[in-house]
Amino acid sequence: DAKTTQPTSMDCAEGRAANLPCNHSTISGNEYVYWYRQIHSQGPQYIIHGLKNNETNEMASLIITEDRKSSTLILPHATLRDTAVYYCIVRAPSGSARQLTFGSGTQLTVLP
Amino acid sequence: IAGITQAPTSQILAAGRRMTLRCTQDMRHNAMYWYRQDLGLGLRLIHYSNTAGTTGKGEVPDGYSVSRANTDDFPLTLASAVPSQTSVYFCASSEGQVGTDTQYFGPGTRLTVL
Repeated sequence: DAKTTQPTSMDCAEGRAANLPCNHSTISGNEYVYWYRQIHSQGPQYIIHGLKNNETNEMASLIITEDRKSSTLILPHATLRDTAVYYCIVRAPSGSARQLTFGSGTQLTVLP
Repeated sequence: IAGITQAPTSQILAAGRRMTLRCTQDMRHNAMYWYRQDLGLGLRLIHYSNTAGTTGKGEVPDGYSVSRANTDDFPLTLASAVPSQTSVYFCASSEGQVGTDTQYFGPGTRLTVL
């Protein structure tokens, strides 16, 4: 799986968009970009994933650059409940069970 | 609501005792996983199962065993608990098909071994 780099921490005002960057300059052509988050004392939560096109779901949007070397997770209207550690993970699809490796992630704090 | 349930939520256990952590999913996922999470070490895979009837060892399998008698259940057993097994344990599942590698996690079991 390609290595990812994320800022250690970010703050965001409640109600504003939170933009979380991730660098993955060594990404391979078949590797997807996944985003998870972990709210304190809870299990990791899947947010979104994509290959090369931008993706949107009810939780967030994922913007992947044309060269696929970086991406941004966008929470359009952050709430206090979005305070969590956000993990960007790059991995190729597999037809069998395989460990999901979380890096250090970005601690997002949404401020009132 | 579809998802993964784990039991118990938390447990304090005397060293040397046997303990089974339960995990059930209702998404009909083929693959299931057990992770432990320790401060500063992130999530580490203990055991996994690609499909009912099969299991495999992850990164840190020693002291743990699993079984997968059916699609829905994936219990994790500590035969003789030791203090180093104090951790938060997360069960996860995924469809197990190529291209659908998303893992979904349960709420976790906080285990303290004294």
